[in-house]
Amino acid sequence: SAVISQKPSRDICQRGTSLTIQCQVDSQVTMMFWYRQQPGQSLTLIATANQGSEATYESGFVIDKFPISRPNLTFSTLTVSNMSPEDSSIYLCSVAFLGGDEQYFGPGTRLTVT
Amino acid sequence: GENVEQHPSTLSVQEGDSAVIKCTYSDSASNYFPWYKQELGKRPQLIIDIRSNVGEKKDQRIAVTLNKTAKHFSLHITETQPEDSAVYFCAASDHNQGGKLIFGQGTELSVKP
Repeated sequence: SAVISQKPSRDICQRGTSLTIQCQVDSQVTMMFWYRQQPGQSLTLIATANQGSEATYESGFVIDKFPISRPNLTFSTLTVSNMSPEDSSIYLCSVAFLGGDEQYFGPGTRLTVT
Repeated sequence: GENVEQHPSTLSVQEGDSAVIKCTYSDSASNYFPWYKQELGKRPQLIIDIRSNVGEKKDQRIAVTLNKTAKHFSLHITETQPEDSAVYFCAASDHNQGGKLIFGQGTELSVKP
């Protein structure tokens, strides 16, 4: 199975600043997704990271706040922009392989905004 | 869009008993239904899944059933052990809509020794 890593694993940031989270997979994947998990809550899909084109955002999430890049089949970044304390959450990437529905999650990035 | 409801939110059982978690979905186009286990501070782990062309699937002590007509699916854990204690999430997706997962609210399972 693939190894999925995220950087950073955690961070504490000041409000108004931005943080870029990286997701790296050790093999090529078809689909990459970004989710948010607020403390004690379920997972909410932010967007689908499309390779070589703009990400597809879910209702309630916009590109200006959560710009996403996916330059190749093994790497994606999510930026949380102009952060506020409400952005404190765990951000997880997930991947799916060609022909498969199964999604596998990265270890997550725990973000605290003060 | 798809909406997934999950019950109960918390479940406490004695070791050795069975546990059942139920989910309902709203979009009849959904065709893939995974279950994830998330231990405290860890990533969600895929433990079992079922596709819409199958009614039941088993893997050792865990099983999932799907009723497409009623649009609900369930996770069954038999002979529970303390290490089964975790939060369990169900999800639904439509492969033809990019495979994005819509999650239920989660069930915190506690298995008491």
